[in-house]
Amino acid sequence: QVQLKESGPGLVQPSQTLSLTCTVSGFSLTSNSVHWVRQPPGKGLEWVGAIWSGGSTDYNSALKSRLSISRDTSKSQVFLKMNSLQTEDTAIYFCTREFEIYNNYFDYWGQGVMVTVSS
Amino acid sequence: DTVLTQSPALAVSPGERVTISCRASESVSTGMHWYQQKPGQQPKLLIYGASNLESGVPARFSGSGSGTDFTLTIDPVEADDTATYFCQQSWNDPYTFGAGTKLELK
Repeated sequence: QVQLKESGPGLVQPSQTLSLTCTVSGFSLTSNSVHWVRQPPGKGLEWVGAIWSGGSTDYNSALKSRLSISRDTSKSQVFLKMNSLQTEDTAIYFCTREFEIYNNYFDYWGQGVMVTVSS
Repeated sequence: DTVLTQSPALAVSPGERVTISCRASESVSTGMHWYQQKPGQQPKLLIYGASNLESGVPARFSGSGSGTDFTLTIDPVEADDTATYFCQQSWNDPYTFGAGTKLELK
């Protein structure tokens, strides 16, 4: 069955770099795109970026200068790197699979990983 | 970016019918989807393409709309439906989410 699982450090110091991994199973990264979505505590969902099934990437314009998304298809892993972290980046980070036939929507989500930016 | 506007909160009694609205700042055709999120959990897909029920989701949930105005309906509401409901559009780049509507049961 389809599964996604995020992993990474729970605490990052301000100005440092965040590295997260999304490990997927039950589908191929060359068949489905994977997106990152984040949610600050008690707030709504914000689209962060995506790596499309073809390998190209797309980023939230507000984060683009600090953000990089890549993948290792042989390991079924997607990576998020965000530098110059600020306290406003404190959030739960989810990875999610995009279903891309007829309609594009997020059909499977990881459980999320809480990232706190604090010294 | 396409802004999606939702009412912040609703309170209804079990057994009632509730409609949750989402208005887009520009047309998204039928590229609108609805998710349910309970505290401490990831979002769960309910409706895709404005009106299509995701497999496994109870038929009490339905969606309608096209263009800029969309509605998620729950009829009848059950206690387990207490959650925050988000709309999300995938018609225009970048994908955007509404701020969410928190549904509480009386």
